[in-house]
Amino acid sequence: EAGVAQSPRYKIIEKRQSVAFWCNPISGHATLYWYQQILGQGPKLLIQFQNNGVVDDSQLPKDRFSAERLKGVDSTLKIQPAKLEDSAVYLCASSLGTGGYEQFFGPGTRLTVL
Amino acid sequence: KQEVTQIPAALSVPEGENLVLNCSFTDSAIYNLQWFRQDPGKGLTSLLLIQSSQREQTSGRLNASLDKSSGRSTLYIAASQPGDSATYLCAVRSNTGNQFYFGTGTSLTVIP
Repeated sequence: EAGVAQSPRYKIIEKRQSVAFWCNPISGHATLYWYQQILGQGPKLLIQFQNNGVVDDSQLPKDRFSAERLKGVDSTLKIQPAKLEDSAVYLCASSLGTGGYEQFFGPGTRLTVL
Repeated sequence: KQEVTQIPAALSVPEGENLVLNCSFTDSAIYNLQWFRQDPGKGLTSLLLIQSSQREQTSGRLNASLDKSSGRSTLYIAASQPGDSATYLCAVRSNTGNQFYFGTGTSLTVIP
């Protein structure tokens, strides 16, 4: 079974530029998560989708971050414009559903903002 | 809001030792608790998932316990090996809002 795919793996941009990350979850997984992991910290949930609807985006900085999951499969996370403090690893995860299901993570995208 | 704490932040042990990693959480209203391993520059690998109704789960040399009433979980690693060196993270899933909350991790080094 293929795991969660993410691209790109690495991205370096200058502040005020825009960047987008892509995630393809495990086939059949209805729930998709985007996390931000700053160096030395645990992952922080940014947004959670159930199919193509948003379940929780309370910690998403909506003035600069946006995410979508068209057709309930792939998802894109965008930052526009980027700030220095956005430098982090962006992790995508998926699970069969909400509730007691196990999460599976992709390899992450390491973003460096100069 | 759920707070998840992992102590110690770093641990170094000689190969072959048994060890225990700790995770504590402030709100017992959880669906489950999941332990992960993270290697440098990599994503998270799921190790064990314990549902709120369970007391423990085992996989190979790993055993995780859950005491929901006291807000604690432990991950026991038997006969540690250098390949076990990684950061270990625990995450709890709240059943009020479905959010996952992560600890900051324990960085484990197993010395050959």
